Amino acid sequence: QLQLQESGPGLVKPSETLSLTCTASGDSISRTNNYWVWVRQSPGAGLEWIGSIYHTGSTYYNPSLKSRVTISVDASKNQFSLRLSSVSAADTAVYYCAKDWGGPPSWNFDYWGQGALVTVSS
Amino acid sequence: QSALTQPASVSGSPGQSITISCTGTSSDVGHYNYVSWYQQHPGKAPKLMIYDVTNRHSGVSNRFSGSKSGNTASLTISGLQAEDEADYYCSSYAISSTLLFGGGTKLTVL
Repeated sequence: QLQLQESGPGLVKPSETLSLTCTASGDSISRTNNYWVWVRQSPGAGLEWIGSIYHTGSTYYNPSLKSRVTISVDASKNQFSLRLSSVSAADTAVYYCAKDWGGPPSWNFDYWGQGALVTVSS
Repeated sequence: QSALTQPASVSGSPGQSITISCTGTSSDVGHYNYVSWYQQHPGKAPKLMIYDVTNRHSGVSNRFSGSKSGNTASLTISGLQAEDEADYYCSSYAISSTLLFGGGTKLTVL
């Protein structure tokens, strides 16, 4: 059974870079024909897709965040990561990693991590 | 692109049926059959319920069904149960290889 776990700092200062890692267990990121995804949810608000990555490094990004986002994969560690630069209070959110069951993307996310709250504040 | 439009809240009594709408445009909901629905209980991660407009994800009760007409997709829950009380989000693939979510609908079981 696949499990996903987000990790990273819970507090980031404005203008700095947010970094999170998602570690997969129970299956191999590189063996499965799937895309791996980051989604965020601002407090009391809806979901926002950030981007998706394949184990080869192929990516899709939300156009509204594309200039600030980098998603990468480290198959040897069974991890994929998110970097969001120049953060502001508007980036305060629970960040989820998830699995897209397709490759090419199916845009359906069937496994999710528990989520990691990241607060942007000085 | 803008988020998809959902009603902020809907409610129903146990045993009743409710429908949640998700309105997009001809560049997303109206153009592609890649509409999904997620259920989210407080403090929990979203759970995939419906994919590709009408297909129930594995293990999802047949009380949940999806449909689409034009630029609007819908999630119907029949035989409402207390455990269905949650937030529901739609999503749709959109032109230029992006994914849009709806703003979410809070379902209250009276």
